[in-house]
Amino acid sequence: KQEVTQIPAALSVPEGENLVLNCSFTDSAIYNLQWFRQDPGKGLTSLLLIQSSQREQTSGRLNASLDKSSGRSTLYIAASQPGDSATYLCAVAGYQTSGSRLTFGEGTQLTVNP
Amino acid sequence: EAQVTQNPRYLITVTGKKLTVTCSQNMNHEYMSWYRQDPGLGLRQIYYSMNVEVTDKGDVPEGYKVSRKEKRNFPLILESPSPNQTSLYFCASSLSVSGELFFGEGSRLTVL
Repeated sequence: KQEVTQIPAALSVPEGENLVLNCSFTDSAIYNLQWFRQDPGKGLTSLLLIQSSQREQTSGRLNASLDKSSGRSTLYIAASQPGDSATYLCAVAGYQTSGSRLTFGEGTQLTVNP
Repeated sequence: EAQVTQNPRYLITVTGKKLTVTCSQNMNHEYMSWYRQDPGLGLRQIYYSMNVEVTDKGDVPEGYKVSRKEKRNFPLILESPSPNQTSLYFCASSLSVSGELFFGEGSRLTVL
C-alpha cells in the first residue's frame, strides 16, 4: 500500500526566505506526483504536476522535482511572501488494476511572516 | 468558467437518512473521484471513475456508493449515514488518470 509522508508538518519563515518542502512515497510505480495548495476552508488548488517520466516542473517562483527511484519529491519556493501561507499537499497517483488510486500526504502548514 | 461544482456545501443530517452529494464538472473530463478529509488522517480517496464505464473503490469506500451515468456528473451517495461519516468531502476531476486534478470547493457534512 502506498504511503506518502511530508516533512516538516509545519514551517514558519520570514518573508523573502527560500524554502523547501519534502514529500516521500513508498511505491515508485506511479503515474505522476502533484503538489497542491489548500487555504483554510477552501478546496485544493493544483500547483505543479510531474509525470513519472519527468524530473522537474517549474511555475513562477515554484519548482518541484521528482526522484522516482528514491521515492522523493521536493517543492522549492523562492522569495516567499505572506500570500504563500497555506497548507501544501503532495499526492501520488499509483497504478491499480482498473485505473489509478491517489494517495495524499498530510501536508505541510506554511506560515510566511511579514 | 472551468470548474467542479459540489452541492450542498454544508449539510447537517441525522443517522440513517439517505443523502446524495452531487458533483458536476464542465471540462469534459474523463476521470472523476471523491475524497474525504479528516484531521490527523489527511485526504483519503473514497471512489474514482476512469470514465463512464469504469468505477472502482479507493481506500475508504465502506458506507458510500457512487454513480457515473454521464461524463459530467459523479454523485456520492450515503445510503445510511452514520456519525463516523462526518467529514469534509471533495470531488475532483481530470482529463485523464495522469492529468492535472481540479477540485471542487468541498462539502462539509455533519451526521448527528
